Amino acid sequence: GQQLNQSPQSMFIQEGEDVSMNCTSSSIFNTWLWYKQEPGEGPVLLIALYKAGELTSNGRLTAQFGITRKDSFLNISASIPSDVGIYFCAGPAAGTYKYIFGTGTRLKVLA
Amino acid sequence: EPEVTQTPSHQVTQMGQEVILRCVPISNHLYFYWYRQILGQKVEFLVSFYNNEISEKSEIFDDQFSVERPDGSNFTLKIRSTKLEDSAMYFCASSGGGGMGPRQYFGPGTRLTVT
Repeated sequence: GQQLNQSPQSMFIQEGEDVSMNCTSSSIFNTWLWYKQEPGEGPVLLIALYKAGELTSNGRLTAQFGITRKDSFLNISASIPSDVGIYFCAGPAAGTYKYIFGTGTRLKVLA
Repeated sequence: EPEVTQTPSHQVTQMGQEVILRCVPISNHLYFYWYRQILGQKVEFLVSFYNNEISEKSEIFDDQFSVERPDGSNFTLKIRSTKLEDSAMYFCASSGGGGMGPRQYFGPGTRLTVT
């Protein structure tokens, strides 16, 4: 079945640094979504991407829909301690509303 | 801002017992979903529900699971005879359908512990 692989698996960064993470698939996705999950809480939608090549920002977050439709990137600029959490990419399996979630990137920010 | 709510936040049950997890989706949404997340793992799709019927389900969603929308606001997940491996966080989500369909909004989750 379709799978979404995220890298890096985890990262420790200093406050103020920029962060980049990606999500790749062996098959095409028509929508990419990025979620953030904090401990004990549900995933919170950060950014939704609908077209190949689309670049969308939400504050310090910027995400891009890869032109091959098989990948997406999320960048966080000037990280702050509250950016800590697990970032998941997700997308609907082709022709469905069945969402597949990526393996997650765990981010820790050192003050 | 409207949000998805779930109750209870934590449910402890004995193996073999039935549990019902409850969700109130965002009021004007049309599509409803259940996901689960075993501790430390990724979020896994269980089932989607539209127009009062299941539209898709995963291989995890076997005969022990059922969903229902008993009234205009609640959406429930029932596990008939819980097993130890059902211990997980269960998330409800909803989306608006049409052009807003892909944007799924998640509730805070119910932590199910089966002993």
